[in-house]
Amino acid sequence: NAGVMQNPRHLVRRRGQEARLRCSPVKGHSHVYWYRQLPEEGLKFMVYLQKENIIDESGMPKERFSAEFPKEGPSILRIQQVVRGDSAAYFCASSPTGQGAVGYTFGSGTRLTVV
Amino acid sequence: QQQVKQSPQSLIVQKGGISIINCAYENTAFDYFPWYQQFPGKGPALLIAIRPDVSEKKEGRFTISFNKSAKQFSLHIMDSQPGDSATYFCAAGFTGNQFYFGTGTSLTVIP
Repeated sequence: NAGVMQNPRHLVRRRGQEARLRCSPVKGHSHVYWYRQLPEEGLKFMVYLQKENIIDESGMPKERFSAEFPKEGPSILRIQQVVRGDSAAYFCASSPTGQGAVGYTFGSGTRLTVV
Repeated sequence: QQQVKQSPQSLIVQKGGISIINCAYENTAFDYFPWYQQFPGKGPALLIAIRPDVSEKKEGRFTISFNKSAKQFSLHIMDSQPGDSATYFCAAGFTGNQFYFGTGTSLTVIP
């Protein structure tokens, strides 16, 4: 009964490279959320996806960031041309389908370091 | 606009004492208020949650107190233990949608 799986756990990228973060939700969960956590700060909402649909991307930076949750396979958060300010922990969470879904299950996160 | 404000930023409590963390929220339409516990290097884990039609919820040593009129809620940890040392986040939002998180409280329980 695996929880939310995120990989890689740690990712180092040079400025200007692309970072690709993967998230496999809890089996049976079709709602995925991405959050960013900066050092000494709380979790900031980035994007909410359902299978093949972006429901709410109000927390996503307008440029360089994109997310998808395809019909098959994990959800992907993609950061193009990374900069030092992108260094953070990125957490994915999933929740069950439909009304009455309560709470999230978080993954252990991907810690991105931009050098 | 910060939807959820959390205090204190850090808290040190003696073993056996009561830890209290407070949160205030903006949107009166929020219908779910969870608390998460996060250990270093781990993702946040759901600890306890409450809905606005209830004023208090208790699970073991953890209690949420909810004041709808004041738009505030708090987490009380009774008989605090060193193993409770972690960062605690309150959150508020809509069931099945995104949650807004507080900035976290780093709790240290001294043996």
